[in-house]
Amino acid sequence: NAGVTQTPKFQVLKTGQSMTLQCAQDMNHNSMYWYRQDPGMGLRLIYYSASEGTTDKGEVPNGYNVSRLNKREFSLRLESAAPSQTSVYFCASSERTQLFGANVLTFGAGSRLTVL
Amino acid sequence: AQTVTQSQPEMSVQEAETVTLSCTYDTSESDYYLFWYKQPPSRQMILVIRQEAYKQQNATENRFSVNFQKAAKSFSLKISDSQLGDAAMYFCAYRPVRDDKIIFGKGTRLHILP
Repeated sequence: NAGVTQTPKFQVLKTGQSMTLQCAQDMNHNSMYWYRQDPGMGLRLIYYSASEGTTDKGEVPNGYNVSRLNKREFSLRLESAAPSQTSVYFCASSERTQLFGANVLTFGAGSRLTVL
Repeated sequence: AQTVTQSQPEMSVQEAETVTLSCTYDTSESDYYLFWYKQPPSRQMILVIRQEAYKQQNATENRFSVNFQKAAKSFSLKISDSQLGDAAMYFCAYRPVRDDKIIFGKGTRLHILP
């Protein structure tokens, strides 16, 4: 099925451990995003990528790194996890054109990360 | 910096009634897109409605419509004939035309009372 696939869906880490969240889309979209969702805070943009080979910081980039491996894949890495990074993470993609229906985000199912 | 503000953390409405969710935003851009997304308990994000800033006509999708006031930087969502399936978290989002950055408000949780 076409869409955005995130892995893993659930992960528990200890403080200081590292991990990478993987995201892949098969809609040939140029733009990809990583958000985190916390109660009362809505969705906050961590990083985004307008095209293969480019990445830009969002609202809350500290403690994270990203890689746009190719047009399909956009990974999020936590080098040294902290309890403040406990959250639900969403990957999303969109196409940036003037066509009707464009610029709309397609989201993955989310990844719940707990840092102890 | 661009910001999106949703001032109502929670709202309730009686089934079949009409409810309006508020959203304001701050930007120096003149061309941009605005969106309302819905997140039901399944956590899946669903687009509700979209508005291009250059269009003066308010967008409408079935029971969902917006009141877009560009000068006031306001983008409210009206849900008519509320149904139990409308119960969800609703997020307002903003994207400038010249950039790919999409930012969201904190959301409004909507309860539908039977």
